[in-house]
Amino acid sequence: GIQVEQSPPDLILQEGANSTLRCNFSDSVNNLQWFHQNPWGQLINLFYIPSGTKQNGRLSATTVATERYSLLYISSSQTTDSGVYFCLTRGTYKYIFGTGTRLKVLA
Amino acid sequence: DAGVIQSPRHEVTEMGQEVTLRCKPISGHDYLFWYRQTMMRGLELLIYFNNNVPIDDSGMPEDRFSAKMPNASFSTLKIQPSEPRDSAVYFCASRLRAGGEQYFGPGTRLTVT
Repeated sequence: GIQVEQSPPDLILQEGANSTLRCNFSDSVNNLQWFHQNPWGQLINLFYIPSGTKQNGRLSATTVATERYSLLYISSSQTTDSGVYFCLTRGTYKYIFGTGTRLKVLA
Repeated sequence: DAGVIQSPRHEVTEMGQEVTLRCKPISGHDYLFWYRQTMMRGLELLIYFNNNVPIDDSGMPEDRFSAKMPNASFSTLKIQPSEPRDSAVYFCASRLRAGGEQYFGPGTRLTVT
């Protein structure tokens, strides 16, 4: 079945720094979504981005479906950005979450 | 909009007992999903419904797990009998249409002792 891997697995940043999170998938996909799981466990929608680029404030995302990856950019990071970031996608029949990137932003 | 509602938020039960988790999707959404999150396996899809009909239940771990959607505004996930390895956070999500984004509920944290 399809594999979805995220990198890096862990990331520590100083407040104000920028970062790029990556989601690689092993086969053609659609329905690509990015989520932030906050320290209380809530899954928060960031982007629905099966292709192209979107921006929302300090966050932006790009999906290149033909190259089988998606990127999430966080600029001017804040302590509230801490948590785990997941991508979710759908292969031929299955919905698969990525392995996650755990982000910690230090004040 | 109230979002996806799940109950209970926390459940502690003893091994062998029946557990029922409940979900109310966002009004008007045609798709409903049940996921489970554990440290070992991460987030994994258990089952999803379209217009109250189960479409893919290949992620349901074993016969002890069952899910129903009797109407468009309610779904249950039942575990009978429960085992300690079922301890996890169970999320419900709903989606308006095919190809759209999923919206997640707050999850139910299940502990089986």
